[in-house]
Amino acid sequence: KQEVTQIPAALSVPEGENLVLNCSFTDSAIYNLQWFRQDPGKGLTSLLLIQSSQREQTSGRLNASLDKSSGRSTLYIAASQPGDSATYLCAVRRGTTDSWGKFQFGAGTQVVVTP
Amino acid sequence: EAQVTQNPRYLITVTGKKLTVTCSQNMNHEYMSWYRQDPGLGLRQIYYSMNVEVTDKGDVPEGYKVSRKEKRNFPLILESPSPNQTSLYFCASSAEGLAGVDTQYFGPGTRLTVL
Repeated sequence: KQEVTQIPAALSVPEGENLVLNCSFTDSAIYNLQWFRQDPGKGLTSLLLIQSSQREQTSGRLNASLDKSSGRSTLYIAASQPGDSATYLCAVRRGTTDSWGKFQFGAGTQVVVTP
Repeated sequence: EAQVTQNPRYLITVTGKKLTVTCSQNMNHEYMSWYRQDPGLGLRQIYYSMNVEVTDKGDVPEGYKVSRKEKRNFPLILESPSPNQTSLYFCASSAEGLAGVDTQYFGPGTRLTVL
């Protein structure tokens, strides 16, 4: 069974520092990996999606890398701002035909960026 | 506006009283899914649907039912709710079949309390 882990569970940084969030998964047979942001009391907002054949994706200050062989993805947020404070979750879509529609989420990393 | 809507947003009920949480999307997405979110456990997938009349179990389907009679709607049914189904529920949808297009869009969540 696929297990997805996010460490650390919480992170606090001063404004301007770069953020590095980690996601690890146990089964390399994935279709894609997606990073989400969740604000308190709100739903999830997609940040970046990396297909299994890709190594990284970039959007503005965000960059996500994927290393399937080692079962890791990293989300980098450059020059953090207080508005980046949220919980960040990663989700893995399974890549085998018998589990095509299944997703596994990590428990998330709660980020606080202090002014 | 592209969106996933859920109703109700908040619900308090009693053990054994059947309830339905509705989910609707206006993006003509093939894929829809239900998740529950619990502290420390992250999001866990309950059921998903690849298209109309095609549904399958996620990781925690016990105590839940779903149906997909129309492409836009994917209701979650709790035939006999129990207190351990107290949780925050999310519905999500995505397009299928095109690489890089299958980003999941999430509804705002339904907070369910079963007494």
